[in-house]
This record gives sequence, structure tokens and C-alpha cells, in this order.
Amino acid sequence: DAGVIQSPRHEVTEMGQEVTLRCKPISGHDYLFWYRQTMMRGLELLIYFNNNVPIDDSGMPEDRFSAKMPNASFSTLKIQPSEPRDSAVYFCASRRRATEAFFGQGTRLTVV
Amino acid sequence: DQQVKQNSPSLSVQEGRISILNCDYTNSMFDYFLWYKKYPAEGPTFLISISSIKDKNEDGRFTVFLNKSAKHLSLHIVPSQPGDSAVYFCAASLFYNQGGKLIFGQGTELSVKP
Repeated sequence: DAGVIQSPRHEVTEMGQEVTLRCKPISGHDYLFWYRQTMMRGLELLIYFNNNVPIDDSGMPEDRFSAKMPNASFSTLKIQPSEPRDSAVYFCASRRRATEAFFGQGTRLTVV
Repeated sequence: DQQVKQNSPSLSVQEGRISILNCDYTNSMFDYFLWYKKYPAEGPTFLISISSIKDKNEDGRFTVFLNKSAKHLSLHIVPSQPGDSAVYFCAASLFYNQGGKLIFGQGTELSVKP
């Protein structure tokens, strides 16, 4: 298996633009997580899905953030409109129930 | 509200000595704990875990200790090697309850000097 695949690896965008981050989880994994890495809060959980259904989105910072999982092999995290303070590394992770989570390589987002 | 806390942002250790990384949590319902290691420009990778029914788990040079009464866990690396230099994250989960939410701490950057 290729592991969790995220795209793009790097994204530079202008303030106000829409940004879409993509994630392909490991086949057979029924949990998918979106995290944001910051210096102050470490790996901050934004939202997670179980069997494609959002379970907890309490970590999503604002209404500008949204996430979808239309099927078991694909998820998106969208920021609209983007702001400079959204600049961070965003990670996607997946796992089966009661096992460790596997992370993708991350997307480094820079909003200028 | 930070439910998982790593209060030491950094730790420096001499090669061959023991590294001890600490983590505190607030939710007594957590039933599974994990440590991850992260190198720059890579995603975190799983290192070792422990169930809440145990107080120790060992894997080679890595040992995790869990003190439920103190809501504290620690990772011991013996002996430390320069290749262990990385950021270490602890995580806590409700694996067997409430759908498996996985919450991480802020991370501790370990530097092992030759």
C-alpha cells in the first residue's frame, strides 16, 4: 500500500483565494483525520470522519473551513477565503478502529 | 482546552544516555496512548503505544510508562542515538469508546548530541 497520500505537498496562495487540500486514505481504513500543525498547539485536530461521516468538527477554527469525504478513498479540506494566519502544515491521517493512525506527508500552506 | 500537554518544548541529551519525554492528560476516559516521531518535512510516524489497562510497554530501546492516577505518561529511550533527534508527539485516544478520537500534544523536540 502507498500509505496516506496528500496533495499538493506545497501550496502558495493569495489572501482571499480558495484553497483545497486533498487526501487519499489507506484502503480499508474507516477513520480519517485532518490535523493542522502549529507551534503553539502542536498537532491540532480539525475534524475526523468514521465511515465517511463527520463525527467531530469542533476543531474547525471558523466557518471558512470545511471538509468533505464523498467516499472511502477521498477527502478534501477547503478554506474559503484563505487568510495569512491559515499558513501551516496540514496533515491527513487514517486508521482502522483500535489501531494506530498513519499520516500523510502533509501539505505546507502559505497564504500571502 | 488542551487535553494532552507536553510541557517541555525541547530536550537535549548526550548520545548513549537516557532520554525521558513526558506527557500529561486531563481526560480520565482516555483508554489508549501513543507516541509518534516526526522528522522535518515528513508526516509523524507511529513509535509505540500503551493501553490504559497496562502501566508499561517496551519495544527495543523504547519504553512507555503510564501512571493513570497522575494522568501522566512518559517515553524512555535507552540508549539515545543521534538518529533519534526528532520531534516527539504523545497522543491519547478513546479507542474503545466514543468513536476513536485521537488527540495530540504540542510535541517535544529531542536533540541527541554525539
